[in-house]
Amino acid sequence: QQQVKQSPQSLIVQKGGISIINCAYENTAFDYFPWYQQFPGKGPALLIAIRPDVSEKKEGRFTISFNKSAKQFSLHIMDSQPGDSATYFCAASMVGTGTASKLTFGTGTRLQVTL
Amino acid sequence: GAVVSQHPSRVICKSGTSVKIECRSLDFQATTMFWYRQFPKKSLMLMATSNEGSKATYEQGVEKDKFLINHASLTLSTLTVTSAHPEDSSFYICSARDPMPGGGNEQFFGPGTRLTVL
Repeated sequence: QQQVKQSPQSLIVQKGGISIINCAYENTAFDYFPWYQQFPGKGPALLIAIRPDVSEKKEGRFTISFNKSAKQFSLHIMDSQPGDSATYFCAASMVGTGTASKLTFGTGTRLQVTL
Repeated sequence: GAVVSQHPSRVICKSGTSVKIECRSLDFQATTMFWYRQFPKKSLMLMATSNEGSKATYEQGVEKDKFLINHASLTLSTLTVTSAHPEDSSFYICSARDPMPGGGNEQFFGPGTRLTVL
């Protein structure tokens, strides 16, 4: 019930291409869905997040698409650049205080953007 | 933006010693902080939720007496690994929840602490 499934495990995209990472969740009580970017040896950095009252959110080259009925959400990285090469994690949580706001993470996607 | 710091960034210790890791929210007050452990090329594993002024809530399977968490102020939480052993070697990361008005739930992560137990 608490799992967040993420795919693909790894992804290679050419520079300028679109990177797409997908996540699916089971717990219908989740209502906050962030994406994090992590470089080796660093902590995750919040990229973009969405609440279920909208189906899409765009910030620069990053877009989240959200399908509430399918319990799926995805990250699209437009015009992918070599500097985007990192591991990306989707996550989900309930909005609240204390343990209610804890994040459930996907397994991660290692993105490599080639020249 | 919201900044979370961790100290130290790296620590090497001998087996049997205790190690304290600090997590600070620098520009906001965090009523809730979280501690994670991450193995190489793996996802983040939540260890415990730290609430200011109260006892931490540990995830199933995490030893409370081994991983002591203290959240004495709204900007500082500490994780102490007691009697560390080589199997405790890992990357430890904290996060802090920024309680934005209107129900925001953003969590911001520290840079992590690499613990190596010899």
